Amino acid sequence: QKEVEQDPGPLSVPEGAIVSLNCTYSNSAFQYFMWYRQYSRKGPELLMYTYSSGNKEDGRFTAQVDKSSKYISLFIRDSQPSDSATYLCAMSEGGNNRLAFGKGNQVVVIP
Amino acid sequence: GAVVSQHPSRVICKSGTSVKIECRSLDFQATTMFWYRQFPKQSLMLMATSNEGSKATYEQGVEKDKFLINHASLTLSTLTVTSAHPEDSSFYICSASSAGVMVGGYTFGSGTRLTVV
Repeated sequence: QKEVEQDPGPLSVPEGAIVSLNCTYSNSAFQYFMWYRQYSRKGPELLMYTYSSGNKEDGRFTAQVDKSSKYISLFIRDSQPSDSATYLCAMSEGGNNRLAFGKGNQVVVIP
Repeated sequence: GAVVSQHPSRVICKSGTSVKIECRSLDFQATTMFWYRQFPKQSLMLMATSNEGSKATYEQGVEKDKFLINHASLTLSTLTVTSAHPEDSSFYICSASSAGVMVGGYTFGSGTRLTVV
């Protein structure tokens, strides 16, 4: 079983729809949970960062962490064509420990 | 703040030659840097972790003699792909970490697309 599972299937949604992405993990030592957005041929950029169970909201983005179920989610409200990118979940045990990434979801928002 | 500059963004080299990729933290000191490789439509695969002033720690299956990593200062790490072959063609990305400096703790460079012909 991989440390982080993210169904890599592409996702196409109409503009204005809610995008829902999720990852599961197996390592109980993970404490920090991140979502990155990556545009084609660019490095990942941090979208959301959480370290506790619950919801965190930033504009149109909401990150959700359920440590008891080892499950994290990212929701994008009122999706825009500019949100079209690959979204990667990532997590770490903390400090300078390495990040474990999911496979990423390619999201296409259709105008 | 927390900007990581990676250079070059693209490089094409002949088979058998070596290529050096630089990763610089511009406005903070990076105690740890990570090097990743990414194939098309795949996730990031960690190659190695380097701490300033010490030898890099390579992930299983990554040839340390082929992918030379140097982290001689708190703001610069380099990855040298030695005797490159077409199968080394990939997207290489560095990441810098400085716990306590930035939210999320990791900042990524913009990546280097290496093509070996």
